[in-house]
Amino acid sequence: SAVISQKPSRDICQRGTSLTIQCQVDSQVTMMFWYRQQPGQSLTLIATANQGSEATYESGFVIDKFPISRPNLTFSTLTVSNMSPEDSSIYLCSVWWEATDTQYFGPGTRLTVL
Amino acid sequence: GQNIDQPTEMTATEGAIVQINCTYQTSGFNGLFWYQQHAGEAPTFLSYNVLDGLEEKGRFSSFLSRSKGYSYLLLKELQMKDSASYLCAVRDLPRGYQKVTFGTGTKLQVIP
Repeated sequence: SAVISQKPSRDICQRGTSLTIQCQVDSQVTMMFWYRQQPGQSLTLIATANQGSEATYESGFVIDKFPISRPNLTFSTLTVSNMSPEDSSIYLCSVWWEATDTQYFGPGTRLTVL
Repeated sequence: GQNIDQPTEMTATEGAIVQINCTYQTSGFNGLFWYQQHAGEAPTFLSYNVLDGLEEKGRFSSFLSRSKGYSYLLLKELQMKDSASYLCAVRDLPRGYQKVTFGTGTKLQVIP
């Protein structure tokens, strides 16, 4: 299985600022994903981040608001730009583990925007 | 589009058996996942069904019927620690890339 870490684990930010969340995996993986989980709700896919290509964004999410980098097969970042209180959520990094056809999740980043 | 339905909440007694249902209507299908999520924690993988039938893994079993767009997660010998949300998720491969869509989750409360 894959071991995934995220930084920061939580942050409190001011409206209008930006936060970059880092995701590190202990093994090389082809597919990485970023999800958002708002309080009391299920997971919503923001985008798929594959190395060597631009991230693929889901409906309702745009690159200007959520720029993503994927410089190599073990690392990705998600930036939440020009934050508003509506962006308060848990942001989860996830990877697809091809050996077992399983998706694993990082511990999440709990973001509060004031 | 994707539409995945699960009951919002369920309550069951310690030691009993509970079945959590999931129905889906999706434009494509390449497998169904069940995840467990304790409050404040990330989801953890429970099972993955691609073919019809029952997959058993200890106290947890998962069933899939592709023709009916239906799955269930069966938890036996319930323990207090099984109190959590259970998420049904469908895997699709639209336009050649992978996408996993999650249902809203079922919050299970196990009572003594």
